[in-house]
Amino acid sequence: AQSVTQLDSHVSVSEGTPVLLRCNYSSSYSPSLFWYVQHPNKGLQLLLKYTSAATLVKGINGFEAEFKKSETSFHLTKPSAHMSDAAEYFCVVTFTGTASKLTFGTGTRLQVTL
Amino acid sequence: EAQVTQNPRYLITVTGKKLTVTCSQNMNHEYMSWYRQDPGLGLRQIYYSMNVEVTDKGDVPEGYKVSRKEKRNFPLILESPSPNQTSLYFCASSSTGTPYEQYFGPGTRLTVT
Repeated sequence: AQSVTQLDSHVSVSEGTPVLLRCNYSSSYSPSLFWYVQHPNKGLQLLLKYTSAATLVKGINGFEAEFKKSETSFHLTKPSAHMSDAAEYFCVVTFTGTASKLTFGTGTRLQVTL
Repeated sequence: EAQVTQNPRYLITVTGKKLTVTCSQNMNHEYMSWYRQDPGLGLRQIYYSMNVEVTDKGDVPEGYKVSRKEKRNFPLILESPSPNQTSLYFCASSSTGTPYEQYFGPGTRLTVT
């Protein structure tokens, strides 16, 4: 079985400060991991993906995530938050070797204040 | 432009009145899937299809039907909608090769009264 836990339902940061959104996964097999972003009243957009290549993954808009197998984590970070980063973020896991089943976390809402 | 389209975007209906939400993709993807999004629950998979005429249940298939007669289309059918199917629905597609990233449609907000 596979599952993903997003440790914070809501994160608030000031503009210009670092962002950390936490994600832990459980998977019996080698996982593929993704972060998606959903802006208000919009669909989901892929931010970045890990598929067993480099453990530090860079995505769009300055986001990156590090796959840590020993900690079963895939936390999303950004050095400096921007107002436009305010959105909901989803961590997603699937098994490497199958496209049939994506499991989504429950989401983290990022608020960015002035 | 590569995209997944859904129609309608918004729908208000009454209990028991059959409805269909259409989904179409222009990327020649083999894999398509339907999700529902509810507050605090993230996205949950309803049905998916690995290719034409191949469909399978996701986590929450009860009350839904799908069909995959053409590669580009994957309609979601609610034969007898109930209020607990009020939700935001997303269609997605991907290739079946790695890295399985899915492309999402804009969503359909369904209200069943």
